[in-house]
Amino acid sequence: EAGVAQSPRYKIIEKRQSVAFWCNPISGHATLYWYQQILGQGPKLLIQFQNNGVVDDSQLPKDRFSAERLKGVDSTLKIQPAKLEDSAVYLCASSHLREIKVFFGQGTRLTVV
Amino acid sequence: AQRVTQPEKLLSVFKGAPVELKCNYSYSGSPELFWYVQYSRQRLQLLLRHISRESIKGFTADLNKGETSFHLKKPFAQEEDSAMYYCALSGLGNTGKLIFGQGTTLQVKP
Repeated sequence: EAGVAQSPRYKIIEKRQSVAFWCNPISGHATLYWYQQILGQGPKLLIQFQNNGVVDDSQLPKDRFSAERLKGVDSTLKIQPAKLEDSAVYLCASSHLREIKVFFGQGTRLTVV
Repeated sequence: AQRVTQPEKLLSVFKGAPVELKCNYSYSGSPELFWYVQYSRQRLQLLLRHISRESIKGFTADLNKGETSFHLKKPFAQEEDSAMYYCALSGLGNTGKLIFGQGTTLQVKP
């Protein structure tokens, strides 16, 4: 099966600029996740969608981060305005409803300068 | 607090040597434990989970609730095992909401 697709692969922006990442999950996967992975750390969940509804966004910095999943398929994650500490790899993942196995995308590496 | 700790950033062994990657956790409730692996230039992928009690690529991991540990073991390391390994946990019923450890790089030397 085709994997989770993410774009862009790399992005460099200046602080205070805005940026958006896109994710296309595996076909039929109802659950979609965005994780943030800072260098040297494990991934940290930012937000979880089930279809087009938010299940958990408790760790999403809502003053600058936003995410949506229109029509319960693709998702976008936006940062506005970006800070230096937002430099990280942003991973999108998806799974079937109540399925244990989670599939990860290749990630978008964001550098904020 | 819910936390996963992997005490070693780097573990370097020779081919054929035994491997043990340590993982300790803190969780109020009944967690599900996983090991994820990321090979060079590849995606993060599930290696194994405690519920299935399976052996994948020769790796096994046993959940020790008394010691709150879930160490990953392999009796004879292979060069292709070189990768970054992450221990992770989730709550029952929401296995996609993962809490990851910091990761351990396993380097298997020829």
